[in-house]
Amino acid sequence: KAGVTQTPRYLIKTRGQQVTLSCSPISGHRSVSWYQQTPGQGLQFLFEYFSETQRNKGNFPGRFSGRQFSNSRSEMNVSTLELGDSALYLCASSHYSGSDEQFFGPGTRLTVL
Amino acid sequence: GDSVTQMEGPVTLSEEAFLTINCTYTATGYPSLFWYVQYPGEGLQLLLKATKADDKGSNKGFEATYRKETTSFHLEKGSVQVSDSAVYFCALRLNTGNQFYFGTGTSLTVIP
Repeated sequence: KAGVTQTPRYLIKTRGQQVTLSCSPISGHRSVSWYQQTPGQGLQFLFEYFSETQRNKGNFPGRFSGRQFSNSRSEMNVSTLELGDSALYLCASSHYSGSDEQFFGPGTRLTVL
Repeated sequence: GDSVTQMEGPVTLSEEAFLTINCTYTATGYPSLFWYVQYPGEGLQLLLKATKADDKGSNKGFEATYRKETTSFHLEKGSVQVSDSAVYFCALRLNTGNQFYFGTGTSLTVIP
């Protein structure tokens, strides 16, 4: 069974631009969560989608948004990029919202110049 | 608020040494507790979990016991190997919702 895939793997943007990251969950998984990983803050929860609905949201500004499609694939969008948005963005999928185990993708490394 | 605190790294050990990585948590209710591991160049993988007080999770020689009285979930291994070199994350999930709270990670390097 294929794992969680994220595209692109690496991205370089400049301040003020916007970016869209994509995540394809494991087949059959309907919950997708997004995390921001930075050396100083560790993993911080952005949001979770289940059945195309946002179920939980972390403490991030409105510039961070997401959506989920009917095939459970999810996208995350960051508008008006700031230098501090440089991070590894991780996507994790699970069978359902509330499932004990999340399966993580390799991440998208975003660098904002 | 809900959070996880784990010992700061980096930790460097010789092969066959004993490993302890401390993790304490703050949570409302009765969370499930997890240890995830991130090997170099790879995504996070679940290492072990415990879903209620006094449960012991174990995998690949690693163990952790859910201690409600001390709100702790310390990771231990009796004899580490070079292949255990990775970053270890302690995490909790509340029984309401699916939001995971992760610690900042502890980098472990095992030298031969």
